[in-house]
Amino acid sequence: AQTVTQSQPEMSVQEAETVTLSCTYDTSESDYYLFWYKQPPSRQMILVIRQEAYKQQNATENRFSVNFQKAAKSFSLKISDSQLGDAAMYFCAYRRGEYYGGSQGNLIFGKGTKLSVKP
Amino acid sequence: DTGVSQDPRHKITKRGQNVTFRCDPISEHNRLYWYRQTLGQGPEFLTYFQNEAQLEKSRLLSDRFSAERPKGSFSTLEIQRTEQGDSAMYLCASSLVPPADQETQYFGPGTRLLVL
Repeated sequence: AQTVTQSQPEMSVQEAETVTLSCTYDTSESDYYLFWYKQPPSRQMILVIRQEAYKQQNATENRFSVNFQKAAKSFSLKISDSQLGDAAMYFCAYRRGEYYGGSQGNLIFGKGTKLSVKP
Repeated sequence: DTGVSQDPRHKITKRGQNVTFRCDPISEHNRLYWYRQTLGQGPEFLTYFQNEAQLEKSRLLSDRFSAERPKGSFSTLEIQRTEQGDSAMYLCASSLVPPADQETQYFGPGTRLLVL
């Protein structure tokens, strides 16, 4: 079974600084996707960034980028120029790919990292 | 595009009662997912539909839980004979496939259930 581990329950960053959130996963599959979701307090979970396992290039979305190390099964999220609005729970998630057929849509989440941003 | 909506947002019930939650996905989204999130944990998958067909159910979904998606639009999740361990946030998400490799799940605000 696939598992996702986020070893940092809480992180803190100064506004305008850079912070990196860690995520490791365990799988025997070669076709999969990885995601970072953001869940602000009392608000809906939204997708931050996604990475296809078959792509070697790390995904970037504005101030958000990932460091995808497939061999090490590591998928960290870097937030540059942190803003107060970045304060939230961040969840790393795994989804198997279409190669395996059948039902593969469900996401497997880690326990999350609570990010605080200090002004 | 009004996003995924869930109703009610909060529900308090007594142990042994039945509860039903509703999820309205983004229009034209053919996939609909249910997840459960307990305090300090990430969401856990319960079940999902493609159109009106329920394609997968987690082992977490005991026989007290049932989900439907008539006509492939909104979905309901019913919990019968609620137990205190059912207290959690129930999240709904929807997506559009194909293309499956570009699938993005959009989450609703959730229904927070408290069983006394």
